[in-house]
Amino acid sequence: EAGVTQFPSHSVIEKGQTVTLRCDPISGHDNLYWYRRVMGKEIKFLLHFVKESKQDESGMPNNRFLAERTGGTYSTLKVQPAELEDSGVYFCASSLQTSRLAGLQETQYFGPGTRLLVL
Amino acid sequence: KQEVTQIPAALSVPEGENLVLNCSFTDSAIYNLQWFRQDPGKGLTSLLLIQSSQREQTSGRLNASLDKSSGRSTLYIAASQPGDSATYLCAVNQGGKLIFGQGTELSVKP
Repeated sequence: EAGVTQFPSHSVIEKGQTVTLRCDPISGHDNLYWYRRVMGKEIKFLLHFVKESKQDESGMPNNRFLAERTGGTYSTLKVQPAELEDSGVYFCASSLQTSRLAGLQETQYFGPGTRLLVL
Repeated sequence: KQEVTQIPAALSVPEGENLVLNCSFTDSAIYNLQWFRQDPGKGLTSLLLIQSSQREQTSGRLNASLDKSSGRSTLYIAASQPGDSATYLCAVNQGGKLIFGQGTELSVKP
């Protein structure tokens, strides 16, 4: 079974440009999460999808970040325009959900991350 | 606000030693706690998940315990090997989102 995949693995862009990150969850996983780690800090939650719906987007830093999950399969995270402080590693994770409560207790499986550098 | 702390930040041990990594959290209202391993430049590998109703979980040489009332978890690694060298992260699940500690960087010397 394929794990969580993320594309690209690395991205270097200039301040003010747009970048779109993609995450493909494990097949059949309804829950999809985005996290990021900025330099020297712990990994922090950004948002949570259940299928195509945003369940919790309390961690999104500002309106320059837009996440979508059309059709409830893969997800994209767009940063527009990118700022220097957006540099870091963006992780995606997915988990199985058989019911809403059960889904909150399932193991989250992480992808390899996208390393974003904004110059 | 939930805060997760891991001690020590770094640990270096000789091969064969048994060791304990510590994780503490401030809010006991959690669904579960996960321990992860991260190798340099790689993603996170889930090691163990302890549900809030459980006290411990074991997988091979790894044993994780959870004391929710005191806000503590430990990861015990038996007979450490150089291949165990990595950063170990603990994370508590609150409302579906994981809240991470800063990690413990472990180095096992041959």
